[in-house]
Amino acid sequence: DGGITQSPKYLFRKEGQNVTLSCEQNLNHDAMYWYRQDPGQGLRLIYYSQIVNDFQKGDIAEGYSVSREKKESFPLTVTSAQKNPTAFYLCATRGGRSYEQYFGPGTRLTVT
Amino acid sequence: GENVEQHPSTLSVQEGDSAVIKCTYSDSASNYFPWYKQELGKRPQLIIDIRSNVGEKKDQRIAVTLNKTAKHFSLHITETQPEDSAVYFCAIAGGTSYGKLTFGQGTILTVHP
Repeated sequence: DGGITQSPKYLFRKEGQNVTLSCEQNLNHDAMYWYRQDPGQGLRLIYYSQIVNDFQKGDIAEGYSVSREKKESFPLTVTSAQKNPTAFYLCATRGGRSYEQYFGPGTRLTVT
Repeated sequence: GENVEQHPSTLSVQEGDSAVIKCTYSDSASNYFPWYKQELGKRPQLIIDIRSNVGEKKDQRIAVTLNKTAKHFSLHITETQPEDSAVYFCAIAGGTSYGKLTFGQGTILTVHP
């Protein structure tokens, strides 16, 4: 877990602005994931990437975009099209053929 | 898509009692069943997992049981302690969703001293 960093821990934005959340890992894991967590709900998958230069939509991709130009980095952009962007965003990684996912510390985004 | 139902949503026990949380799933091809513990404001931490070829797995005070026929699995915590208080999530993976985890809605466990 210590090998996954997310910054910043807290982020505040005005409605209508795009914002990019950072996720960096030094675990040499191929797969990376973005989840959204709302109060009283489980984690919902936004986007995931199994390998560099490739990514797929998860269950709630609308209003979000990602890139995977480097193995170590998987930034998530929350666009103004996302209707309810205020949430806790968690990045995770998975290595090799293992199913285990390891989570970063999360970024709490507040949009007003 | 895959669906995971987790019950109960809240669970309150006295210190020393046992706690059981159950998850049911729909995708019979699922073959990986982890449990995560999340303390307030923190990241989820994997506490135990089980593969489909195993019926039960124990690690000290926690255990997971799997019934593939009935498509449900459970987390058992014995001799609960106040520090066990947290939100617990089950998840599934495998089959049609290799590498992707689908999470249950979570259970808020409170252990009263």
